[in-house]
Amino acid sequence: SQQGEEDPQALSIQEGENATMNCSYKTSINNLQWYRQNSGRGLVHLILIRSNEREKHSGRLRVTLDTSKKSSSLLITASRAADTASYFCATDAGAQKLVFGQGTRLTINP
Amino acid sequence: EAGVAQSPRYKIIEKRQSVAFWCNPISGHATLYWYQQILGQGPKLLIQFQNNGVVDDSQLPKDRFSAERLKGVDSTLKIQPAKLEDSAVYLCASSFSGGARNTQYFGPGTRLTVL
Repeated sequence: SQQGEEDPQALSIQEGENATMNCSYKTSINNLQWYRQNSGRGLVHLILIRSNEREKHSGRLRVTLDTSKKSSSLLITASRAADTASYFCATDAGAQKLVFGQGTRLTINP
Repeated sequence: EAGVAQSPRYKIIEKRQSVAFWCNPISGHATLYWYQQILGQGPKLLIQFQNNGVVDDSQLPKDRFSAERLKGVDSTLKIQPAKLEDSAVYLCASSFSGGARNTQYFGPGTRLTVL
């Protein structure tokens, strides 16, 4: 079964706006990762946040982690058409194994 | 650095036929994963190899799915016989080693359609 649950399932915004996606999970984790998947392609790693970190930035991406609430959020600022993709959170609970959520489908409208 | 290679990219078969997928991980990556991704869902781990040994195959339908990683490098995933519900994208990923970082690098996937 999948541990992470993303919210919303789908998000449509205008280019230039910010996009926020949320992920909730059930068990203790070592780290949480976000991946992007463009249509018909494999997944691309975006960012990793360790369980002892609360916030991390990478370019236009900002990830937060609240282990007490077992939740994470991914913020994409100043969105571009190229950001249109599905975004997945994945939790690493050990044994080098990632468990993926169902994903958020993000559409950026020009 | 070359990425994870998979072939074929697309495959269409009829139910009860057999099919095989091939994956070549990034050079030096000890851990290799096969995922099944059904349309509209996230990837589900089928099997995980560490070198040529199986670490986790708890979600692999062993009555019809098999996988091997000879010599700890490339890997094949086989389905025999295929069912309609096996229609999905099969993703291969690799990572350098375990530990807390475990960043996985994915191939482009093989889209399987079972008719």
